[in-house]
Amino acid sequence: RKEVEQDPGPFNVPEGATVAFNCTYSNSASQSFFWYRQDCRKEPKLLMSVYSSGNEDGRFTAQLNRASQYISLLIRDSKLSDSATYLCAGYNYGQNFVFGPGTRLSVLP
Amino acid sequence: ETGVTQSPTHLIKTRGQQVTLRCSSQSGHNTVSWYQQALGQGPQFIFQYYREEENGRGNFPPRFSGLQFPNYSSELNVNALELDDSALYLCASSPTSGSRPEQFFGPGTRLTVL
Repeated sequence: RKEVEQDPGPFNVPEGATVAFNCTYSNSASQSFFWYRQDCRKEPKLLMSVYSSGNEDGRFTAQLNRASQYISLLIRDSKLSDSATYLCAGYNYGQNFVFGPGTRLSVLP
Repeated sequence: ETGVTQSPTHLIKTRGQQVTLRCSSQSGHNTVSWYQQALGQGPQFIFQYYREEENGRGNFPPRFSGLQFPNYSSELNVNALELDDSALYLCASSPTSGSRPEQFFGPGTRLTVL
């Protein structure tokens, strides 16, 4: 089993929809989590950091459930520009980042 | 822009050759990590450098090696290139390990091995 797993996708949603991605992790020692977005053939860009139970930034909300070992990312009022691959990463202090395979989102007009 | 730069942007090599990729970290960041990202996969951790010392290594063979310089820039060297080494190589910098370990990626070097 991979240390970080994500919904395989792709997710195809209409503009204005709400979409949620899930990410599960197997290393219970992971302390911090991150969501990155990656556009085609570009580098990952940090979208959100999750250090406690969750974080919210505008249309984006991340929630962490340590008991069930998953993190979710909710995108409200989807825009065409949200189309990208979303990468989840876990981090254990003193260790390294472990990324999931990513979930591809296409927001359709 | 993250302030992390990488060179070159693209590279084509043949099997058996050696390659050196370069990374300049964001100002104020003294930790550099290297990742390999194959098509359709998430980034895979290669190794991390902190204050010029290797500070963790992923599941990559010894032909993947690195350096960090006093100005915190870094190099990734790959010897005896194999076809499966074709990937996007990403460098990420982060501040001194502490309570907020966010990593910021450079634009990557796309390596093609023929």
